[in-house]
Amino acid sequence: LAKTTQPISMDSYEGQEVNITCSHNNIATNDYITWYQQFPSQGPRFIIQGYKTKVTNEVASLFIPADRKSSTLSLPRVSLSDTAVYYCLVGGSAAGNKLTFGGGTRVLVKP
Amino acid sequence: KAGVTQTPRYLIKTRGQQVTLSCSPISGHRSVSWYQQTPGQGLQFLFEYFSETQRNKGNFPGRFSGRQFSNSRSEMNVSTLELGDSALYLCASSLSQGPNYGYTFGSGTRLTVV
Repeated sequence: LAKTTQPISMDSYEGQEVNITCSHNNIATNDYITWYQQFPSQGPRFIIQGYKTKVTNEVASLFIPADRKSSTLSLPRVSLSDTAVYYCLVGGSAAGNKLTFGGGTRVLVKP
Repeated sequence: KAGVTQTPRYLIKTRGQQVTLSCSPISGHRSVSWYQQTPGQGLQFLFEYFSETQRNKGNFPGRFSGRQFSNSRSEMNVSTLELGDSALYLCASSLSQGPNYGYTFGSGTRLTVV
């Protein structure tokens, strides 16, 4: 079971880059790492997913070191609307595989 | 296209009762998973269904059960409700089983047990 650990909260300012690291020391070989964003009273929204090295899409980048024991979500040039809770999810597709969300990181973007 | 639909949005039940929550996945998605979200425990995985079969199960008591129909719609049932079952219950769908396909979440059902 891949236990995940994230910082509880972090503050930033508009236009800055925000980096959130998730630790997952017991990650299994077939586990993927996925990050979600959640606003109040809504379900989590998919941001980005990766298995190793670096993945980039239009909203974020995901950095995964060679040992895969951690991952870092990078949000470039945040705006006030990026204020949300961010979760990392570690898990694979194998039947019986446990899906473990991190505790979530509350990001507050200030003007 | 329509997203993941969960009904009802809000529910108030009395301790000891049972409740059934419904989830309609995105068209074409065959996997449905359920999560419980509380302020104290965060997002906890309940179970995942694929092709009408439970493929993964979290660490919840047997009072929590679910099923998936041939059209991929899913229901979860909680029997003998306890105060601690008050939570936001989220359903997510994906093309196939496992998070490597990326989940799309519904807005959840807010269950309050009194």
